[in-house]
Amino acid sequence: QVQLVQSGAEVKKPGASVKVSCKVSGYTLTELSMHWVRQAPGKGLEWMGGFDPEDGETIYAQKFQGRVTMTEDTSTDTAYMELSSLRSEDTAVYYCATYSNAYDYWGQGTLVTVSS
Amino acid sequence: DIQMTQSPSSLSASVGDRVTITCQASQDISNYLNWYQQKPGKAPKLLIYDASNLETGVPSRFSGSGSGTDFTFTISSLQPEDIATYYCQQYDNLPPGFGQGTRLEIK
Repeated sequence: QVQLVQSGAEVKKPGASVKVSCKVSGYTLTELSMHWVRQAPGKGLEWMGGFDPEDGETIYAQKFQGRVTMTEDTSTDTAYMELSSLRSEDTAVYYCATYSNAYDYWGQGTLVTVSS
Repeated sequence: DIQMTQSPSSLSASVGDRVTITCQASQDISNYLNWYQQKPGKAPKLLIYDASNLETGVPSRFSGSGSGTDFTFTISSLQPEDIATYYCQQYDNLPPGFGQGTRLEIK
């Protein structure tokens, strides 16, 4: 059984960066394709990006190109999502989720609040 | 990118009612469609994969059907614990787009 445990809530000022972590247990990160999905308050699910095993590369939603970086530390089975140049519209819950044509396992979510 | 159009955006029904949600893809996605349930403050949960297959442990009152561009999600007899928002998601191509969600409430 895969478990994903995310880092805690963050409050950031506009223009800052945030880095959210997602610790995997039950499997190794190399066995999984990790994606990131966010949800603004009262809104729907928005895909940000993730690992494409067919290409062996991480792909990002065009909306976040240049602002988001997704990395993995296989020595600790931890995935990271860093979003820069934060603005108020980035206030959301950020989820990591494993992807194999469906999002089978989800982290608990990390609330990122962007406020001056 | 493939666009997913889900309807209705909200729905109010009584316990025991049959509830139906539709999802339309902007192009043929075969049966590459999943359905999720999200309760307030929780992460989404996979209910149905490949358009019609019930995830292990999901009650049989939930079902899905469809192929190509038109899909349906049904709750045969609404229970109080089914109050949630439901999302469709296609996986024919990356990015794996979600529908806008259907918020289900008890009447």
